Amino acid sequence: GAVVSQHPSRVICKSGTSVKIECRSLDFQATTMFWYRQFPKQSLMLMATSNEGSKATYEQGVEKDKFLINHASLTLSTLTVTSAHPEDSSFYICSAARTSSYNEQFFGPGTRLTVL
Amino acid sequence: KNQVEQSPQSLIILEGKNCTLQCNYTVSPFSNLRWYKQDTGRGPVSLTIMTFSENTKSNGRYTATLDADTKQSSLHITASQLSDSASYICVVRLVRGSQGNLIFGKGTKLSVKP
Repeated sequence: GAVVSQHPSRVICKSGTSVKIECRSLDFQATTMFWYRQFPKQSLMLMATSNEGSKATYEQGVEKDKFLINHASLTLSTLTVTSAHPEDSSFYICSAARTSSYNEQFFGPGTRLTVL
Repeated sequence: KNQVEQSPQSLIILEGKNCTLQCNYTVSPFSNLRWYKQDTGRGPVSLTIMTFSENTKSNGRYTATLDADTKQSSLHITASQLSDSASYICVVRLVRGSQGNLIFGKGTKLSVKP
């Protein structure tokens, strides 16, 4: 159990367009989902924490109007990169925490975004 | 400043050999420490999780140790296999109200050669 999926796994888009990435918890309910960004040879950096039914909490330096997060249900959170630029190219990873377990986050497989 | 430092940055070993990866942290207040395996282009997968009171935790060929006094942890891989080639990330969780307070190390990239 505790499987998290992401879609798409890879996406290439033109500069100025918007891209939506989905994160789903397949076999458990996740009150809280997290979005991370990982640049090459760097550690995961938390972008925002998403709670079902409420506004996401963004980390310092992350533009909430650029990275739109929607957590509409207990199994789905979406991250939309608006007006993408080449510097947004990165590996985006989501994780989900079970409602019943306080300590464990389960990570998705990641989405590779390339902005041309 | 809360930091997690891992060493070495990269490591190459022959198949069948053992290796040990190191993690030093300056995170406070400490809740738990986790080791993850991240294959290239994939999300991290949990290997072990240890709380303050635990000194060692095993998961198959992976054995993690924790010294909370010196704030050091190690991950020992026994009888390495080609499939062990990956990045190994040490993650320390802060004690706070939120579930998102994880401090990630940069990882050690392990390459197992035949």
